[in-house]
Amino acid sequence: EVQLVESGGGLIQPGGSLRLSCAASGFTVSSNYMSWVRQAPGKGLEWVSVMYSGGSTYYADSVKGRFTISRDNSKNTLYLQMNTLRAEDTAVYYCARDSSRGGTYSHEYWGQGTLVTVSS
Amino acid sequence: EIVLTQSPGTLSLSPGERATLSCRASQSVSSSYLAWYQQKPGQAPRLLIYGASSRATGIPERFSGGGSGTDFTLTISRLEPEDFAVYYCQQYGGSPWTFGQGTKVEIK
Repeated sequence: EVQLVESGGGLIQPGGSLRLSCAASGFTVSSNYMSWVRQAPGKGLEWVSVMYSGGSTYYADSVKGRFTISRDNSKNTLYLQMNTLRAEDTAVYYCARDSSRGGTYSHEYWGQGTLVTVSS
Repeated sequence: EIVLTQSPGTLSLSPGERATLSCRASQSVSSSYLAWYQQKPGQAPRLLIYGASSRATGIPERFSGGGSGTDFTLTISRLEPEDFAVYYCQQYGGSPWTFGQGTKVEIK
């Protein structure tokens, strides 16, 4: 069974740093495309970053240069290092296992999310 | 950036009725890269449709997707009580990947 469990969220001051973790089970993180998606309180969904199985990474313009996606194969865990945090980064952060079957693409499995609150 | 505009913002319907949700893209999107998600309060989104028209695993047949180019639709043939939720479309055809703002399907 595919499971994704995010952790690492919390209250952080503007300008601070935080690292989110997404522990995976039931599959191998390094063999899959993995994404982070966030949702500000009461708002819609925003894609944040993706890491392909080959290691390529991509980011939304809103986080480029501040956030870094990575993985630890030995721990089967995906990370999101968030630096220079701003109030507008306040959101629930979800990790997702992506699917690229048959030339299509989607976020097939989702974790339950972890809340990041950026406030002084 | 490809902007996805969903309409209507809110759809008020009764159980058993048909729901038709629209997702319009600011530029053409390959059907292969259009997906629909359902989200209930306090829950993570759930994949419903990928490749514009393929149902994800375990999704009931009453959910169907269609469209091409810039106009896509999600149809729920007969609303069940558990279908009242917010629905999002997302495109993966252009960078950055973008979501629509969502359509809330509420009980009338």
